[in-house]
Amino acid sequence: AQTVTQSQPEMSVQEAETVTLSCTYDTSESDYYLFWYKQPPSRQMILVIRQEAYKQQNATENRFSVNFQKAAKSFSLKISDSQLGDAAMYFCAFLYTGANSKLTFGKGITLSVRP
Amino acid sequence: AAGVIQSPRHLIKEKRETATLKCYPIPRHDTVYWYQQGPGQDPQFLISFYEKMQSDKGSIPDRFSAQQFSDYHSELNMSSLELGDSALYFCASSLVHTGDEQYFGPGTRLTVT
Repeated sequence: AQTVTQSQPEMSVQEAETVTLSCTYDTSESDYYLFWYKQPPSRQMILVIRQEAYKQQNATENRFSVNFQKAAKSFSLKISDSQLGDAAMYFCAFLYTGANSKLTFGKGITLSVRP
Repeated sequence: AAGVIQSPRHLIKEKRETATLKCYPIPRHDTVYWYQQGPGQDPQFLISFYEKMQSDKGSIPDRFSAQQFSDYHSELNMSSLELGDSALYFCASSLVHTGDEQYFGPGTRLTVT
């Protein structure tokens, strides 16, 4: 079974600054995906970024990038030039690429952005 | 682009009543997943279907059942509702059964009074 750990329940960042959200996971699988989802007050689950475990290159999506350390089983999200609209709950999630794949989420982190 | 559709968006039921949640996946997606997110919690996997057959089962109470129909839409049936069933229920769909990006619907907010 997989576990995903987000040890920081809350974080705060000044608008236009950079913030890093931490996530660690545990698995015995070698083929998997990792995701960061954003859940704003509307509670819609919005995919922010994905990382395939077989890729060494860290994924980047505009102001969002990850630091994927497979050996350390670490997957952090960096948000650059933070905006007020980035304020939300962020979930780290694991997805095995084999049969019966289902998302396993961390507990989430609440990010607030100070104007 | 078409997204995952869930209905109803909000539902209020009393204890011991029955509720049916519907999910319409993205066209051509063959796999549907159901997740339950309690207040202040992370989403928890309930059940999934691939090509109209149950493919995996998580922490789904025996009071709940689900199925996927020939048009690939899915329904989650919940009976003998309890206060603790109050939650946001997400449906997600994907194109590939063996691990691919899941696209989430907007969720159905169920309140049990």
